Amino acid sequence: GAVVSQHPSRVICKSGTSVKIECRSLDFQATTMFWYRQFPKQSLMLMATSNEGSKATYEQGVEKDKFLINHASLTLSTLTVTSAHPEDSSFYICSASEHGGVGIEQYFGPGTRLTVT
Amino acid sequence: GENVEQHPSTLSVQEGDSAVIKCTYSDSASNYFPWYKQELGKRPQLIIDIRSNVGEKKDQRIAVTLNKTAKHFSLHITETQPEDSAVYFCAATAGGTSYGKLTFGQGTILTVHP
Repeated sequence: GAVVSQHPSRVICKSGTSVKIECRSLDFQATTMFWYRQFPKQSLMLMATSNEGSKATYEQGVEKDKFLINHASLTLSTLTVTSAHPEDSSFYICSASEHGGVGIEQYFGPGTRLTVT
Repeated sequence: GENVEQHPSTLSVQEGDSAVIKCTYSDSASNYFPWYKQELGKRPQLIIDIRSNVGEKKDQRIAVTLNKTAKHFSLHITETQPEDSAVYFCAATAGGTSYGKLTFGQGTILTVHP
């Protein structure tokens, strides 16, 4: 149980275009979803926390107008990278929990490798 | 906010030896500490976790210890095997209205030589 999928797994886009990444909880309802970014040989950095039906909470230094997050249902959250640039190339990973809270296990998606040329 | 420091950044051991990875955290309100194993290009996998009301937890060859007073926790892997080679991350979750968001350590590259 507790499977999270992401789509696409890899995407290559040109500078200036927008890319949408989907994160789905397949066998549970995810009240809270998290989006992380991981650069090569670095740790996971939380970008934002999203709760179903409300606006996402962004971490300091993350541009909310550039990284649009929508959590419209209990099984789907999307991250749109707008006007992507080469420095946005990274591994984007989502995670989901059945309800937000301390000690509630997060289930991670397989990640999306974004390359901006 | 929470800050998690992890050491060492790389660890090389011989098969059968033990490996220890240590983390410290800054927020005394943190009360959940998971450890993840991540293979190259893959998602992080939860291998063990501990909550602040427990000092030690063990699962077969893996154990985690927590010292709340000193604000540090450690991962212990015994009888290491080549398939244990991966990047290991510690993390901490603070309470309050954080919705359980995780702050990760910098990661440790563990290499187990056969």
